[in-house]
Amino acid sequence: GDSVTQMEGPVTLSEEAFLTINCTYTATGYPSLFWYVQYPGEGLQLLLKATKADDKGSNKGFEATYRKETTSFHLEKGSVQVSDSAVYFCALSDSNNNDMRFGAGTRLTVKP
Amino acid sequence: NAGVMQNPRHLVRRRGQEARLRCSPMKGHSHVYWYRQLPEEGLKFMVYLQKENIIDESGMPKERFSAEFPKEGPSILRIQQVVRGDSAAYFCASSQARQGGGTDTQYFGPGTRLTVL
Repeated sequence: GDSVTQMEGPVTLSEEAFLTINCTYTATGYPSLFWYVQYPGEGLQLLLKATKADDKGSNKGFEATYRKETTSFHLEKGSVQVSDSAVYFCALSDSNNNDMRFGAGTRLTVKP
Repeated sequence: NAGVMQNPRHLVRRRGQEARLRCSPMKGHSHVYWYRQLPEEGLKFMVYLQKENIIDESGMPKERFSAEFPKEGPSILRIQQVVRGDSAAYFCASSQARQGGGTDTQYFGPGTRLTVL
């Protein structure tokens, strides 16, 4: 069945460092891909999405490109801030399923 | 446009009691999903509902758990005779359309954190 595998954490970076969180997926159809962010004690917020191959989602300095050939949707940010500290979830939705499939989450801590 | 609302945000129950979690979807959304998140884990799908219909409950435990989304009012996730293992964060999400369409993005509520003593 459809699934998402993302880079295990935790990830600790210094402020202004470059961030990459890897995400790969397995799907039988043509899924939409998402990154959600969860701040401590809160729910998931949609960070960005891409609905077809070669689409690039971007928001708040974060970017991810839907790569069908490598079945990947890696999250990147050129210069992280302390306020980016959170747990990041990669997810997919597919017309073959009723639910959204989530990766296990990657905890990011950014130190000043 | 208000987001997905869930209440209560925190719920404490003793073993054997009932827990009732409420979710009001975003305005204009008729698809509701419930997920459970255990500490330090990702979200696990429980159930998908539309108004007055359970579409997919493949992720729901067979006993003690039930869900509804009545014609009027919020969606309810009910857990009867709670046990310590039910302690988790329960998230509700809503979407405008079923997955696969262009408006299938799920928007999440803040969650209800259930603690069973």
